[in-house]
Amino acid sequence: QKEVEQDPGPLSVPEGAIVSLNCTYSNSAFQYFMWYRQYSRKGPELLMYTYSSGNKEDGRFTAQVDKSSKYISLFIRDSQPSDSATYLCAMSAREKETSGSRLTFGEGTQLTVNP
Amino acid sequence: DAGVIQSPRHEVTEMGQEVTLRCKPISGHNSLFWYRQTMMRGLELLIYFNNNVPIDDSGMPEDRFSAKMPNASFSTLKIQPSEPRDSAVYFCASSFTGGLVSPRPYEQYFGPGTRLTVT
Repeated sequence: QKEVEQDPGPLSVPEGAIVSLNCTYSNSAFQYFMWYRQYSRKGPELLMYTYSSGNKEDGRFTAQVDKSSKYISLFIRDSQPSDSATYLCAMSAREKETSGSRLTFGEGTQLTVNP
Repeated sequence: DAGVIQSPRHEVTEMGQEVTLRCKPISGHNSLFWYRQTMMRGLELLIYFNNNVPIDDSGMPEDRFSAKMPNASFSTLKIQPSEPRDSAVYFCASSFTGGLVSPRPYEQYFGPGTRLTVT
């Protein structure tokens, strides 16, 4: 079983729709949760970052974490064609400072927002 | 800051040839990661370094793959000999690991990737 599960999609929505992207995880040591956005032929870039249960909002984006259910979500309001990309969830446990850290990624959900 | 720099951006080579991918992390970052991304397997961590020391290479597929980080500003990933199944996009990423000094611990910054095609 993978440590992080993410539905790969693809997901296609009309412009203006609310998009919900989700990941589940099995490792209870994960404390830091991120969403990366990857445009075609580009490297992933950080979109949202949180380390506590609850919601975090940034413009049209809301990240939600439920540690008790081991479930995280990303909501996109008023979706735009420019939001078309692959969205990857990523998470990390707190590791020793001498060993650095690693992120465990979901496989990514491909999103297309149609004008 | 120029961000993470990778070279070459594209590489086409024949099976059996040696391939060397290069990465320059963001200045001040002390962790460096090499990933491989394919449609079938998604983003896979191959190896990561902390303070130039390899910490975990369990993701390196086999002995044909090797990585070095001779100093804080440079790393290489080498494939010798290359095979068609090595065709993928290879990303380098860097981060700063300093406990909770960083406002966003464990955030990684990715380079643009090297698209490798082995024929």
